Amino acid sequence: DTGVSQDPRHKITKRGQNVTFRCDPISEHNRLYWYRQTLGQGPEFLTYFQNEAQLEKSRLLSDRFSAERPKGSFSTLEIQRTEQGDSAMYLCASSRSDGPSYEQYFGPGTRLTVT
Amino acid sequence: AQSVAQPEDQVNVAEGNPLTVKCTYSVSGNPYLFWYVQYPNRGLQFLLKYITGDNLVKGSYGFEAEFNKSQTSFHLKKPSALVSDSALYFCAVRDINSGAGSYQLTFGKGTKLSVIP
Repeated sequence: DTGVSQDPRHKITKRGQNVTFRCDPISEHNRLYWYRQTLGQGPEFLTYFQNEAQLEKSRLLSDRFSAERPKGSFSTLEIQRTEQGDSAMYLCASSRSDGPSYEQYFGPGTRLTVT
Repeated sequence: AQSVAQPEDQVNVAEGNPLTVKCTYSVSGNPYLFWYVQYPNRGLQFLLKYITGDNLVKGSYGFEAEFNKSQTSFHLKKPSALVSDSALYFCAVRDINSGAGSYQLTFGKGTKLSVIP
């Protein structure tokens, strides 16, 4: 299966610690997206890359959050000084870039629990 | 700003009966509309999309959806429900006129579908 993969699947951390998540998109997809999903809600957009360029960031992405996609392939999302409110499922998605209407394919997510 | 409303938190339907999961949207321009399904402990799976053209779009697993511009709706339907269709369903929208390079999707809160044997 060559779908979107995310690592780790689960992360438990103490408040104040830093965490980093990784996303590997579908290989031929140039666009990569990060979303956050809390219980009972739909995914909320965080940020988006076209190749290695970060082109769009949500106001949800505070200064403690940073995302990178250094070589236009995999991406990392880092949260510094985690807070209990950061507990959520972090979803990565990817899509083709040769048109505006292509659907996004999602990975299984990384569930973060901040204690 | 774009938004999506899924008015029903839960829909219950008997196996073999038709099902409908409702979705309404708000965008300033023209919409791209999507339906996704989420099974427990799994990511979202793409079901179908409306971009342009025929208002009735067909997708995976026998699902279809009807785009109604005047009612700003995009309801998901299936003629005969299966127990295996039980899952969480999300409607999403992207405004094709929203700023150059904006590809974010806005999702509804989701509707839990339970198909009763």
